[in-house]
Amino acid sequence: DIQMTQSPSTLSASVGDRVTITCRASQSISSWLAWYQQKPGKAPKVLIYKASSLESGVPSRFSGSGSGTEFTLTISSLQPDDSATYYCQQYNSYSWTFGQGTKVEIK
Amino acid sequence: QLQLQESGPGLVKPSETLSLTCTFSGASISRTSFYWGWIRQPPGKGLEWIGSIYYSGNTYYNPSLKSRVTISVDMSKNQFSLNLSSVTAADTAVYYCARPRGGSIFDYWGQGTLVTVSS
Repeated sequence: DIQMTQSPSTLSASVGDRVTITCRASQSISSWLAWYQQKPGKAPKVLIYKASSLESGVPSRFSGSGSGTEFTLTISSLQPDDSATYYCQQYNSYSWTFGQGTKVEIK
Repeated sequence: QLQLQESGPGLVKPSETLSLTCTFSGASISRTSFYWGWIRQPPGKGLEWIGSIYYSGNTYYNPSLKSRVTISVDMSKNQFSLNLSSVTAADTAVYYCARPRGGSIFDYWGQGTLVTVSS
């Protein structure tokens, strides 16, 4: 099984800050990585797919990078609406695994 | 716009089988819609992929749940289903059905349904 490890588990930042979340895979997954945003009581929403492709309709302040085993999600200028939990997810050979999540709080 | 809706009992007794159905509707069903999946989220915890199915019936399960999970699909009814046997309190969670676009990212999700395992 491929394990996904996110860091940090929680982070607190101010509006306008640049925020970075890291996700590591236990083995190479090429670029088969997605990022999701989940708000309380709601289903997750995909932000990034194939490591760095922005899903349609997602603000351009979100970006993704990485390949192999190390990936990052960056929010270039944190907005109040970005308060949420973020999950990475690998999809490789018809197996899907989520990271444990990173809760982003606004100071 | 593809829409998915979960249905099934909200309370299941320990050792029994949890059964849920997902009904999809909306945009025309193209080949990119031919994969379907189930994900769950225990209260206050993270997301766990349960399994996925291709319209032809090929199934893919989380190894940690494989011995207890069965997913089936009925394209004529626009439905796919989840059975999880021998449930315990650890299976209490919000269960989501979702579409893995082309077998990849989950781009459409149901609203989720809370299933509690309790006697």
